[in-house]
Amino acid sequence: ETGVTQTPRHLVMGMTNKKSLKCEQHLGHNAMYWYKQSAKKPLELMFVYNFKEQTENNSVPSRFSPECPNSSHLFLHLHTLQPEDSALYLCASSQDGGDPNTGELFFGEGSRLTVL
Amino acid sequence: GENVEQHPSTLSVQEGDSAVIKCTYSDSASNYFPWYKQELGKGPQLIIDIRSNVGEKKDQRIAVTLNKTAKHFSLHITETQPEDSAVYFCAVTGSARQLTFGSGTQLTVLP
Repeated sequence: ETGVTQTPRHLVMGMTNKKSLKCEQHLGHNAMYWYKQSAKKPLELMFVYNFKEQTENNSVPSRFSPECPNSSHLFLHLHTLQPEDSALYLCASSQDGGDPNTGELFFGEGSRLTVL
Repeated sequence: GENVEQHPSTLSVQEGDSAVIKCTYSDSASNYFPWYKQELGKGPQLIIDIRSNVGEKKDQRIAVTLNKTAKHFSLHITETQPEDSAVYFCAVTGSARQLTFGSGTQLTVLP
């Protein structure tokens, strides 16, 4: 166990649905991340939160809306997604967000999203 | 921005043989080079990393070498075992301030 828990593990949604992905870390870390993982492609950084403040938004479409109520919890709210948004969404945490970031990332097992 | 290229995309080796995966990067300011292993159904996990002030680092059967002049670094796994089968990702931190990942290498260790 990595100490980072993601729910749900699998999600199927239509293009008009609204759903949320949840991530919780039990490591006492101060930084949390959302990554998108598509087949045969590099992990794509979406958002970074450091001490609950968003420090990175990697040109992510507004249909993805992150929320970080505290340093242990991170959400990704999904609305009017497209089929090309189908992917594995990985949450990660680290001791701090660093600038530059040279710390170890601890990943959850991911939420597999399918958009119909 | 940073461009990280990883080769090969797939690699099969016989159990006991060595495996080598190579990554090249574009940003000369890059200074941190980790390798992550992702097993089926799990998230990536850090297995080894190296910083720009050293050329090689070893941890039991795995090692990473860095050539800053040529802007490439490699993962070496010796005496491979079936449990080494996984997807391996290189990554780089440089001017972009956050990690940029390679596209991954599927390593299969054949018994």
